[in-house]
Amino acid sequence: DAGVIQSPRHEVTEMGQEVTLRCKPISGHDYLFWYRQTMMRGLELLIYFNNNVPIDDSGMPEDRFSAKMPNASFSTLKIQPSEPRDSAVYFCASRTQSGAYNSPLHFGNGTRLTVT
Amino acid sequence: SQKIEQNSEALNIQEGKTATLTCNYTNYSPAYLQWYRQDPGRGPVFLLLIRENEKEKRKERLKVTFDTTLKQSLFHITASQPADSATYLCALDLMDSSYKLIFGSGTRLLVRP
Repeated sequence: DAGVIQSPRHEVTEMGQEVTLRCKPISGHDYLFWYRQTMMRGLELLIYFNNNVPIDDSGMPEDRFSAKMPNASFSTLKIQPSEPRDSAVYFCASRTQSGAYNSPLHFGNGTRLTVT
Repeated sequence: SQKIEQNSEALNIQEGKTATLTCNYTNYSPAYLQWYRQDPGRGPVFLLLIRENEKEKRKERLKVTFDTTLKQSLFHITASQPADSATYLCALDLMDSSYKLIFGSGTRLLVRP
């Protein structure tokens, strides 16, 4: 298995522009998570899905952030409009429901977003 | 408030020594605790999991302890090597039907040759 695949690896954009981050989870995993990592706040959970349905979006910072999972193999995180304080590394991770409480998270290698 | 705390300062040790990293938490009741390794420019990678009713877990040179009374987990790497240099994160699995993991901010480990 190729693991969790994220694209792009790096994104540099100007304030006010729309940014779309993409994720392909591991096949067969029922749960998909979006995290954001910064030096100040560490790894923060933004939103997670179960069987393509959003379950908890309480970590999404503002209405500027939205996430979708149209099918089991694809998810997007969109920021519109982007702001400099959104600069961070965004990680996607997936997890199987089978024995879920003792199954590890599998992370992608992240998208480093810089908003100027 | 709920907190997960790991040493923010880097741990700098000599090759061959044992590294001990600490994870403390407050106002959580995790059923499981996981440890991850993160290298620069990469996502975290799972290392070990320990359940609340387990005191200790080992895997090769790694050992994890879990004290639910102290609300603390210790992560040990014995016979450390320069290749062990990375950031190590602990994560709480709340088993509250949410299936989500809450992460500490991580501790950077540097192993000098």
